[in-house]
Amino acid sequence: EAQVTQNPRYLITVTGKKLTVTCSQNMNHEYMSWYRQDPGLGLRQIYYSMNVEVTDKGDVPEGYKVSRKEKRNFPLILESPSPNQTSLYFCASNSPGRSNTEAFFGQGTRLTVV
Amino acid sequence: LAKTTQPISMDSYEGQEVNITCSHNNIATNDYITWYQQFPSQGPRFIIQGYKTKVTNEVASLFIPADRKSSTLSLPRVSLSDTAVYYCLVGVTDSWGKLQFGAGTQVVVTP
Repeated sequence: EAQVTQNPRYLITVTGKKLTVTCSQNMNHEYMSWYRQDPGLGLRQIYYSMNVEVTDKGDVPEGYKVSRKEKRNFPLILESPSPNQTSLYFCASNSPGRSNTEAFFGQGTRLTVV
Repeated sequence: LAKTTQPISMDSYEGQEVNITCSHNNIATNDYITWYQQFPSQGPRFIIQGYKTKVTNEVASLFIPADRKSSTLSLPRVSLSDTAVYYCLVGVTDSWGKLQFGAGTQVVVTP
């Protein structure tokens, strides 16, 4: 089954404690991306990657890091989480093409930073 | 990227047809129009995509007039499970990484 898998689904952590949210896709997609979703602010892109070792900032990259060492994985790293990073996070993937706006999203990770 | 405008919310009763119109006046020649559906606390799900005229699949229909400055997502005979936020996106092949999700349209279906 084609899917994007995020882990963990829920996470509560303390301010400053480094954490990683994993994302893996099994569709051999070149493009992967991270979004956060907050009430009233909609979905905002954090980082995206167009292929292995190619990443770029989205709209709200501050406080986040990413890496793309393998095509299937795109982890999101919070080196020093703060309460304002409490949010619902989604990973997405798709392939480039003439009509490549069809993206597949993960189930989401609800992060709470206290 | 083409900016999109869609209604904030729409209410409907079960069994009715719901039509959501999205305006995208500055759509570019190579842009495709895509609609996503999102349930609470779940990731957006692709519904339908089109370039011009009409596209239909098992979930919805997408109507695009000749000037392509707007598009209408049509959900036939909605049920309670169609209650969700619906997003209209317009983008080009090389800019997927910069696709923007707007506020979307909250559709509420009641019995």
